[in-house]
Amino acid sequence: GQQVMQIPQYQHVQEGEDFTTYCNSSTTLSNIQWYKQRPGGHPVFLIQLVKSGEVKKQKRLTFQFGEAKKNSSLHITATQTTDVGTYFCDLVLQGAQKLVFGQGTRLTINP
Amino acid sequence: KAGVTQTPRYLIKTRGQQVTLSCSPISGHRSVSWYQQTPGQGLQFLFEYFSETQRNKGNFPGRFSGRQFSNSRSEMNVSTLELGDSALYLCASSLEARANPNYNSPLHFGNGTRLTVT
Repeated sequence: GQQVMQIPQYQHVQEGEDFTTYCNSSTTLSNIQWYKQRPGGHPVFLIQLVKSGEVKKQKRLTFQFGEAKKNSSLHITATQTTDVGTYFCDLVLQGAQKLVFGQGTRLTINP
Repeated sequence: KAGVTQTPRYLIKTRGQQVTLSCSPISGHRSVSWYQQTPGQGLQFLFEYFSETQRNKGNFPGRFSGRQFSNSRSEMNVSTLELGDSALYLCASSLEARANPNYNSPLHFGNGTRLTVT
């Protein structure tokens, strides 16, 4: 069955609203990275999470790694038009060290 | 420092043909990974090479193959092209192998090669 699920697939918000994307795995993760891809561009690295329960912040972006290391979230506070793009999680599954990219969440914003 | 370079940027091929894509990583990076991106399937991992050895492989048929040279440059080959192979192929480099348990270096992506199969 599918090992990784990233939700939602699409999210449209009004500028100033918050946004959250989730990455869920059926397998424990070694680590997770988050990437952002602007329309017409290539993915750009945002952050890496390694430790159980880890929380990291980058200005309006908050990244969390679940206690069981099976899920992660990216939260954007008060979205701006510059946040438009697709957000991907990149996972390393523990044990087999299998590499998987999430399906991505495409964020669009109404100014 | 130059970024990841992929050539060619665009390619049009016919069904049944084969194609070779090239990727030059950032200087000093020893890992190169390949990804296929389509609107319907998102970003899918093809394979990763580190020190000329394939370290990890996604769920793609054997028509998709790759190799890495001693200077870390990598090539990807797709044989017997199908219409469904039309996609953006992205290459990414990093210092260490992504599957390394102590891995902590990010992927740096190139601008991709857009392949159209007619």
